[in-house]
Amino acid sequence: NAGVTQTPKFQVLKTGQSMTLQCAQDMNHEYMSWYRQDPGMGLRLIHYSVGAGITDQGEVPNGYNVSRSTTEDFPLRLLSAAPSQTSVYFCASSYSGQGVYEQYFGPGTRLTVT
Amino acid sequence: AQKVTQAQTEISVVEKEDVTLDCVYETRDTTYYLFWYKQPPSGELVFLIRRNSFDEQNEISGRYSWNFQKSTSSFNFTITASQVVDSAVYFCALSEPTGGGADGLTFGKGTHLIIQP
Repeated sequence: NAGVTQTPKFQVLKTGQSMTLQCAQDMNHEYMSWYRQDPGMGLRLIHYSVGAGITDQGEVPNGYNVSRSTTEDFPLRLLSAAPSQTSVYFCASSYSGQGVYEQYFGPGTRLTVT
Repeated sequence: AQKVTQAQTEISVVEKEDVTLDCVYETRDTTYYLFWYKQPPSGELVFLIRRNSFDEQNEISGRYSWNFQKSTSSFNFTITASQVVDSAVYFCALSEPTGGGADGLTFGKGTHLIIQP
């Protein structure tokens, strides 16, 4: 199992550009989520999904779109990049079972918006 | 609303000292889950422990131990005989499984632990 994979690892964008951060998991997990990590802020939830076709907003959703067409993939779209979106982005997956739920994190994508 | 507070922004100790990282949480749910993660300088997030609200037993794993006290809403993490490799940012996190735990974790802001040789 590759676990949770994220591409790219690094990205530089100019203000106003759009892009998609890719996230995939091969563990057949139902739940997937996106976080951003900013210095001194911990990780904050952007969007999450409880299954294919179902997504919802987290704490900081503005400026981001998600969709979940398959169980494996959960891409994060930046519609019009802004310098405030400079951050490290982590994708995570987890499953329902006998309790909750370790979140398996990807390695992160470091995004810089100039 | 749920909240996790890690009041210690940075701790610096000399190798072999014991160190405790504090975590205080707020939740209205009676069922919830607490986590600790380690983020070394390489940047990945490493899962350390999960504890549910019904299990107040303290846990020890090698040099690591966790003290969960519902009465004070705290879930503190102690490293005994610290080593340079323990240098990292440590995050405490909370999950309320209203949606089966699917709606993510609430993280504290992290404690940067520096172990000096």
